[in-house]
Amino acid sequence: AQTVTQSQPEMSVQEAETVTLSCTYDTSESDYYLFWYKQPPSRQMILVIRQEAYKQQNATENRFSVNFQKAAKSFSLKISDSQLGDAAMYFCAYRSANTGNQFYFGTGTSLTVIP
Amino acid sequence: KAGVTQTPRYLIKTRGQQVTLSCSPISGHRSVSWYQQTPGQGLQFLFEYFSETQRNKGNFPGRFSGRQFSNSRSEMNVSTLELGDSALYLCASSLAWEEHNEQFFGPGTRLTVL
Repeated sequence: AQTVTQSQPEMSVQEAETVTLSCTYDTSESDYYLFWYKQPPSRQMILVIRQEAYKQQNATENRFSVNFQKAAKSFSLKISDSQLGDAAMYFCAYRSANTGNQFYFGTGTSLTVIP
Repeated sequence: KAGVTQTPRYLIKTRGQQVTLSCSPISGHRSVSWYQQTPGQGLQFLFEYFSETQRNKGNFPGRFSGRQFSNSRSEMNVSTLELGDSALYLCASSLAWEEHNEQFFGPGTRLTVL
């Protein structure tokens, strides 16, 4: 089975600064999708950004961007100009292109934004 | 469109009891997945239903079961509850088996087993 590892249980960043959250995964597949989800305190999980493995170009969504290194099986999330509303638990997730909607999640990184 | 809804939001049970949780997906979504979220383990995949059929199943004991109805609403059942079943149970829906398909999550049901 695929595994997803987030080695940073907690991270903090000053407001307006940049922070990078790490994620590595283990798979023998070549076709898959990667996601970052955000779970604010007591609120629903929402999608932040996604990356198709067949695309070399890193995905970006406004202040959020990823650094996808397929050979290294690394998928980090960069948050620029951090805002107080970015404080949340962030989960990295993997989905195979071949097995439907079975997502594998990391254990999460709790991000604190310091005013 | 209304989002994914889950009922009840909170539930307290005692060991040995059984529980049924409900999930209503976003209108038009035919795939429903269930996850167990605990502080140390993150999100663990339970199962996925698509068009009333279980399409994928995670590594959970047979005490965990589910079903999906013709209107795509889904229920999961946990029998003979154990203390370790205390968790947030999340439901997620998506359109179908499409590439880079996004899952939309509900608010979860917080189950406490005493």
